[in-house]
Amino acid sequence: QKEVEQDPGPLSVPEGAIVSLNCTYSNSAFQYFMWYRQYSRKGPELLMYTYSSGNKEDGRFTAQVDKSSKYISLFIRDSQPSDSATYLCAMSYGQNFVFGPGTRLSVLP
Amino acid sequence: GAVVSQHPSWVICKSGTSVKIECRSLDFQATTMFWYRQFPKQSLMLMATSNEGSKATYEQGVEKDKFLINHASLTLSTLTVTSAHPEDSSFYICSARDPLGVSYEQYFGPGTRLTVT
Repeated sequence: QKEVEQDPGPLSVPEGAIVSLNCTYSNSAFQYFMWYRQYSRKGPELLMYTYSSGNKEDGRFTAQVDKSSKYISLFIRDSQPSDSATYLCAMSYGQNFVFGPGTRLSVLP
Repeated sequence: GAVVSQHPSWVICKSGTSVKIECRSLDFQATTMFWYRQFPKQSLMLMATSNEGSKATYEQGVEKDKFLINHASLTLSTLTVTSAHPEDSSFYICSARDPLGVSYEQYFGPGTRLTVT
């Protein structure tokens, strides 16, 4: 079993749709949970982070963590074509930092 | 936020030659930098962790004699791909941690696309 699993997609949605991206993990030691966005041929940029179970909202983005189920999600409301990118979940504890494989998202105008 | 740069952004080299990629933290001192490789439509694969003033720690399966990492200063780490072959063609990305920032956060460079012909 991989330490972090994520559906690779591709995921295509119409503009304005609500997008749900998910990751599961197996190591209960993970303390910090992050979502990165990576445009084609660019480095990843940090979108959101959280360290506790529950929801965290930032504009159109909501990060959700359920530590009991070892499950994290990123919701994007009112999706825009500019949201088209690969979204990678990541989690860490101490010096250990693990990325999920990423989900490719396309928002169609 | 903190800025990490990479140079070059794109390089083409002939098989058998060596290529050096630079990673710089522009507005903070990074005691730890990371080197990743990413193949098309795949996730980031950590190659090694570079600590200033000491030897890099390589991940399992990464040849340390082929991928030479030097972290000679708090703002610069270099990755040298020695005797490059076409299978080394990939997107190489570095990241850095700001020791004065939060422990979880990594700042990524824009990446270097290496094509070996």
